[in-house]
Amino acid sequence: DVKVTQSSRYLVKRTGEKVFLECVQDMDHENMFWYRQDPGLGLRLIYFSYDVKMKEKGDIPEGYSVSREKKERFSLILESASTNQTSMYLCASRGQGTNTEAFFGQGTRLTVV
Amino acid sequence: AQSVTQPDIHITVSEGASLELRCNYSYGATPYLFWYVQSPGQGLQLLLKYFSGDTLVQGIKGFEAEFKRSQSSFNLRKPSVHWSDAAEYFCAVLIKAAGNKLTFGGGTRVLVKP
Repeated sequence: DVKVTQSSRYLVKRTGEKVFLECVQDMDHENMFWYRQDPGLGLRLIYFSYDVKMKEKGDIPEGYSVSREKKERFSLILESASTNQTSMYLCASRGQGTNTEAFFGQGTRLTVV
Repeated sequence: AQSVTQPDIHITVSEGASLELRCNYSYGATPYLFWYVQSPGQGLQLLLKYFSGDTLVQGIKGFEAEFKRSQSSFNLRKPSVHWSDAAEYFCAVLIKAAGNKLTFGGGTRVLVKP
């Protein structure tokens, strides 16, 4: 089974802190994604990566950056956390084939106080 | 820009009744289409997917979905719901020409009455 692991289930951070959310997948997938999930808004794509050191902005990249130094790891960085970044963050990975699906981690619920 | 619309935010259905969840997408080409389910406190689980071929797709847990190109729709159905189907359901679209970007709809929360 594909496993996508997010390092924390719950995080509480202070406004202005630099926050790192880590995601690791064990299936050698090329594509990895970071979403945030908010009630009524569904999942909104923050950033995605289709290869090591490659990244693409999603729909809401402002206030975030990402790092993909190794194929299995995709990190989301909040440079200076703000209260409006309180949310559920979901990581996903997907292979390169034409008929592959995305697999999701359990999510990290981040609260910025 | 591609977009995915799930018109119904909440649906309440009686146990044993049929269920249909709507999904519409806007994009010129035929995308890859997915339905995911998220039970309370759980991650997202794939119910079914459409890439090509037969437009009626069977998934897990007794769900099916039908792709209608003319309506740009991919509606999810289940003939008889169980209390365990109470969850949030997400439709998603992947456009390879857009760099494998996977876009989700806003979700539909399903409540099941006994």
